Amino acid sequence: AQSVTQLGSHVSVSEGALVLLRCNYSSSVPPYLFWYVQYPNQGLQLLLKYTSAATLVKGINGFEAEFKKSETSFHLTKPSAHMSDAAEYFCAVSEGTSGSRLTFGEGTQLTVNP
Amino acid sequence: DTAVSQTPKYLVTQMGNDKSIKCEQNLGHDTMYWYKQDSKKFLKIMFSYNNKELIINETVPNRFSPKSPDKAHLNLHINSLELGDSAVYFCASSRQSGGAEAFFGQGTRLTVV
Repeated sequence: AQSVTQLGSHVSVSEGALVLLRCNYSSSVPPYLFWYVQYPNQGLQLLLKYTSAATLVKGINGFEAEFKKSETSFHLTKPSAHMSDAAEYFCAVSEGTSGSRLTFGEGTQLTVNP
Repeated sequence: DTAVSQTPKYLVTQMGNDKSIKCEQNLGHDTMYWYKQDSKKFLKIMFSYNNKELIINETVPNRFSPKSPDKAHLNLHINSLELGDSAVYFCASSRQSGGAEAFFGQGTRLTVV
């Protein structure tokens, strides 16, 4: 069975500081991994995904994530936080050979302080 | 054009009522899903349909019944609503291939009073 753990339900950074959101996964087969962002009262938007092509994945809005199999991690980073990055971030895993049945982590609320 | 659209966006209803949420996608995807987001923002899959055929049915009460009239539509009907059904329900769609990106609708906030 697949599962995801996001360390830290709330992360607070200053504008311009490094953003680091942690995600560890458990999967019985090589996983597909995703980071989604949710702004208030909106749906989920894909930031980036890992599908085994490259371990360092670049996404939208300056975010990137590195797949580390030995650590079963897929942490999300951004060098410099913007106020507009404040949102809920979800890490998700999918094992399927068909479609995108996602198992989500519990989410991390990112606050960006001026 | 909205890729995945749900209606209504907000739904307030009394316990015991029956309600439906509609979802449509114009992306040409074969697979559609319903996810539930609870008050703590935890997201969990409820159902998955592929080409109108049910392929995933998580441990959801049988008061919840999805219906897919065609591969572009996946509706969710809920009978005998209970207070615990209050949540945000998201529809999503993806291609059939493994690891495909899921596109989400804006969500339907259901409040049962």
